[in-house]
Amino acid sequence: QSVLTQPPSVSAAPGQTVTISCSGSSSNIGKNFVSWYQQFPGTAPKLLIYDNFKRHSGIPDRFFGSKSGVEATLTITGLQTGDEAHYYCGTWDTSLGEGRVFGGGTKLSVL
Amino acid sequence: QVQLVESGGGLVKPGGSLRLSCAVSGFTFHNYYMSWIRQAPGKGLEWLSFISPGSSDIHYADSVKGRFTVSRDNNRNSLYLEMDSLRAEDTAVYYCVRDIERVGVTLYFDFWGQGILVTVSS
Repeated sequence: QSVLTQPPSVSAAPGQTVTISCSGSSSNIGKNFVSWYQQFPGTAPKLLIYDNFKRHSGIPDRFFGSKSGVEATLTITGLQTGDEAHYYCGTWDTSLGEGRVFGGGTKLSVL
Repeated sequence: QVQLVESGGGLVKPGGSLRLSCAVSGFTFHNYYMSWIRQAPGKGLEWLSFISPGSSDIHYADSVKGRFTVSRDNNRNSLYLEMDSLRAEDTAVYYCVRDIERVGVTLYFDFWGQGILVTVSS
């Protein structure tokens, strides 16, 4: 079981907006920065968002990160078929001896 | 540009050993923290190990503590993961990643290698 909870899958049509949630607790998301990673099948994950909302180099502004309380959200606007991938959230959990934690991942389908 | 290239993976029997290497280029390796992260087939991401720029600070996930050893050679711009007493559940793709730290906390992993498959099977 992952420390951070993500929906297993989300779907939306091209051009629409989709949100992916990442739910945690006061010991992780509640007090630490959140990052988001995109992974296409058979390839390595790639950093999308860090420090809750900052976009990594080269990431289009269709990708938006936010955080409120113990939940973080990745919002993708103007969905494209090329956005179909798995998305993972990550943060630090202060209650764990080794605090580097990830969510279980969300499969985004662009219908 | 930043590149991380893993090597050394393959098929190994349970109880066996393997050494992964990661050759780094495109940034000043000796200034950065590094981590190893793995992904079992069809599963999510699992952080395994972390090493500070000067190798003075090293950490492991409980799942590999005592079996895996991380090291680095800053002169060769290389990161290593020595894996002993391998188990079937260690079967995964292993990623070498650059780890961005602030005040003792990992903030994010900004660059990832392409990954290398390790299969533990008899």
